[in-house]
Amino acid sequence: AQTVTQSQPEMSVQEAETVTLSCTYDTSESDYYLFWYKQPPSRQMILVIRQEAYKQQNATENRFSVNFQKAAKSFSLKISDSQLGDAAMYFCAYMSGTASKLTFGTGTRLQVTL
Amino acid sequence: DTGVSQDPRHKITKRGQNVTFRCDPISEHNRLYWYRQTLGQGPEFLTYFQNEAQLEKSRLLSDRFSAERPKGSFSTLEIQRTEQGDSAMYLCASSSQGPNTEAFFGQGTRLTVV
Repeated sequence: AQTVTQSQPEMSVQEAETVTLSCTYDTSESDYYLFWYKQPPSRQMILVIRQEAYKQQNATENRFSVNFQKAAKSFSLKISDSQLGDAAMYFCAYMSGTASKLTFGTGTRLQVTL
Repeated sequence: DTGVSQDPRHKITKRGQNVTFRCDPISEHNRLYWYRQTLGQGPEFLTYFQNEAQLEKSRLLSDRFSAERPKGSFSTLEIQRTEQGDSAMYLCASSSQGPNTEAFFGQGTRLTVV
């Protein structure tokens, strides 16, 4: 079974600074997708960024980028120029290429301070 | 379309009672998922529908849990003879068919069993 590990329960960053959230996963599959989801205090999950395992290029969405290290099974999220609205729980998630369900990590709570 | 809608947002029930939750997905999405999220954890997959067919059920889903999607549109999740351990946030998500498609989440139904 696939597992997703987020080893940082909480992180803090100052506004306008950069922060990196860590995620590792375990799988024996070669076809899969990785995601970062944001869950603000209102509890609705929002997709931040996704990465296809077959793509070597790291995904980027505005201030959000990933560092995908396939051999190391690592998928970290970098948030640049942090904003107060980035404060939330961040979940790393895995999806097999042959299935539709998401397997989530335990999350990292990000605090953004002035 | 205002996104994935879940009803009710909050439910308090006595142990042993039955409860039913409803999820209305984004109208053009044919896939619908139920997840359960307990405090401090990431969402855990419960079950998944493609149109009206229930294609996968997690081993987490005991016999007391049943889900339906009778016309391939809205879905219901029923828990019979609730237990205190059922207290959690129940999340619904929907997506269109195809690999790597984004899952859109509802705000969830928070169940408290007293």
